[in-house]
Amino acid sequence: GQNIDQPTEMTATEGAIVQINCTYQTSGFNGLFWYQQHAGEAPTFLSYNVLDGLEEKGRFSSFLSRSKGYSYLLLKELQMKDSASYLCAVMDSNYQLIWGAGTKLIIKP
Amino acid sequence: DVKVTQSSRYLVKRTGEKVFLECVQDMDHENMFWYRQDPGLGLRLIYFSYDVKMKEKGDIPEGYSVSREKKERFSLILESASTNQTSMYLCASSLGQGAVDEQYFGPGTRLTVT
Repeated sequence: GQNIDQPTEMTATEGAIVQINCTYQTSGFNGLFWYQQHAGEAPTFLSYNVLDGLEEKGRFSSFLSRSKGYSYLLLKELQMKDSASYLCAVMDSNYQLIWGAGTKLIIKP
Repeated sequence: DVKVTQSSRYLVKRTGEKVFLECVQDMDHENMFWYRQDPGLGLRLIYFSYDVKMKEKGDIPEGYSVSREKKERFSLILESASTNQTSMYLCASSLGQGAVDEQYFGPGTRLTVT
């Protein structure tokens, strides 16, 4: 079966760095997406990785290792507005997105 | 900017009622999707469409149907609402045309079936 695993909840301190991990087992691979979802709002796109390595975009970076079926989202200089759920999704061989349950990130002052 | 709109943010319906959820996108996207989101579960795909009048079942199509008569509009229909269909419903669209593209989401409809 297809499976995406990510931690249910994480807590971090304002100004710190946090890494949210995602491991996957899917039928084929056409890239991995990270989305941010604030409570009661729609998910919004953060990043897309299809090749191994690190993609940096401002305070947010995303890493992919296809051989390990592993990705992480790195958030630096955390701000209170970063409190949200972070969703990992993998596009399988049929170009369908398989979604993880999401990681709720709580930022404390 | 891509804009995806949904007809209602909150909806309360009674068991057995027929429910229509409407979704409209304004960027000429080919692909449109309907998901439901429940606590502790990932987004689950109900139906999707790659073209007008075309529909494909997702992972959990039972109890639902869809309609896509125009490119910009994708409707989700609950033929006879049940309490286990109480959920957040999210519509999304993406470019299509064979491209691997991000999905753009609407604000969601929180449906309660009593």
